[in-house]
Amino acid sequence: AQSVTQPDIHITVSEGASLELRCNYSYGATPYLFWYVQSPGQGLQLLLKYFSGDTLVQGIKGFEAEFKRSQSSFNLRKPSVHWSDAAEYFCAVGDNFNKFYFGSGTKLNVKP
Amino acid sequence: EAQVTQNPRYLITVTGKKLTVTCSQNMNHEYMSWYRQDPGLGLRQIYYSMNVEVTDKGDVPEGYKVSRKEKRNFPLILESPSPNQTSLYFCASSHRGGGLSSGANVLTFGAGSRLTVL
Repeated sequence: AQSVTQPDIHITVSEGASLELRCNYSYGATPYLFWYVQSPGQGLQLLLKYFSGDTLVQGIKGFEAEFKRSQSSFNLRKPSVHWSDAAEYFCAVGDNFNKFYFGSGTKLNVKP
Repeated sequence: EAQVTQNPRYLITVTGKKLTVTCSQNMNHEYMSWYRQDPGLGLRQIYYSMNVEVTDKGDVPEGYKVSRKEKRNFPLILESPSPNQTSLYFCASSHRGGGLSSGANVLTFGAGSRLTVL
């Protein structure tokens, strides 16, 4: 069965430090992968997506993610975190049947 | 502005009192879906709709109904709400393309509806 695992429930980083949020998935075919961000009291906003091609994808707000098929991973990275990046981040897998599977989320805190 | 609009944003109700959460999108999207978000569980899909009059169950459909009579609207109906349906609900929509074209299958979410069932 399809599933998405985000092993880190909470992460705290200092402003200006680098960030990596982990995502592992289980899916039988080529996955369609997404990262969404949810600010407090808001809906989810797409950060980036991977459908095919180059395994390193760039998104909004300076985020990038790398698809590693051998590790079934799609980790999100940012070289320098800003205080406004504090939010909850969700990794998701989509299939050809319009079903989407979300991870349980990682809450990011940013220390001044 | 392209958006998905949900109402109400907040609702407190009692067990067994029927309620409807409305969802409307202005992007002419074919695909619409409902999710519930619970702490530690992420988002789970309740129902989705490929187009008008076409709906299907997601992973947690029990206790919910939907209808898609118009392309822009996809209401979520709780016929007899129970406390375990206390949750944060999101509606989302997207285009459906042949395969995953650049704009298809990317979900646009509403702001969420926080429902409490006492």
